[in-house]
Amino acid sequence: EAGVTQFPSHSVIEKGQTVTLRCDPISGHDNLYWYRRVMGKEIKFLLHFVKESKQDESGMPNNRFLAERTGGTYSTLKVQPAELEDSGVYFCASSQGFLGSEAFFGQGTRLTVV
Amino acid sequence: KNQVEQSPQSLIILEGKNCTLQCNYTVSPFSNLRWYKQDTGRGPVSLTIMTFSENTKSNGRYTATLDADTKQSSLHITASQLSDSASYICVVSEIVAGGSYIPTFGRGTSLIVHP
Repeated sequence: EAGVTQFPSHSVIEKGQTVTLRCDPISGHDNLYWYRRVMGKEIKFLLHFVKESKQDESGMPNNRFLAERTGGTYSTLKVQPAELEDSGVYFCASSQGFLGSEAFFGQGTRLTVV
Repeated sequence: KNQVEQSPQSLIILEGKNCTLQCNYTVSPFSNLRWYKQDTGRGPVSLTIMTFSENTKSNGRYTATLDADTKQSSLHITASQLSDSASYICVVSEIVAGGSYIPTFGRGTSLIVHP
């Protein structure tokens, strides 16, 4: 069974540009989460989807970040315009939502804004 | 609102020493609690899982405890190694209508082990 996959693995963009990160959760997982780890700091929660609905987006830092999950399958996280402080590793995780199920994480996308 | 609070935010220890990470939560109704380890450049990986009736769960040098009455958990690392340097995330799950459950993630504790 394929795990959570994220694209791209690395992205280097200039300040002011737009970047879109993609996450493909494990098939059948209704719950999808976005996290990020900014340089040298702890992982921080961004938002949580249940199917295509945003369950909790309290961690989104500002309106330059837009997450979507059309059809409740894959999700995208767009940063527009990117700022230097957006650099970090963005993780996606998914879980089935059934009792005892584990949240599985992708390898992350390392974003560098220069 | 369900919350999972972890402390400390960051911790630096010397190789060979022990340390304890804390997790307090307000998630209800409680289903289970997991500790994840996340190495730099990798996705988090599950270390332990505990349900309501379990007080202690070990995985090698990692021992997790749970006090469901006070809603507290700890992760104790014994004889730390350089490879223990990572972020440790506490995740608490609630049971929701329909029998499914939603995990609430803590913000993690960054552990650095110095030689």
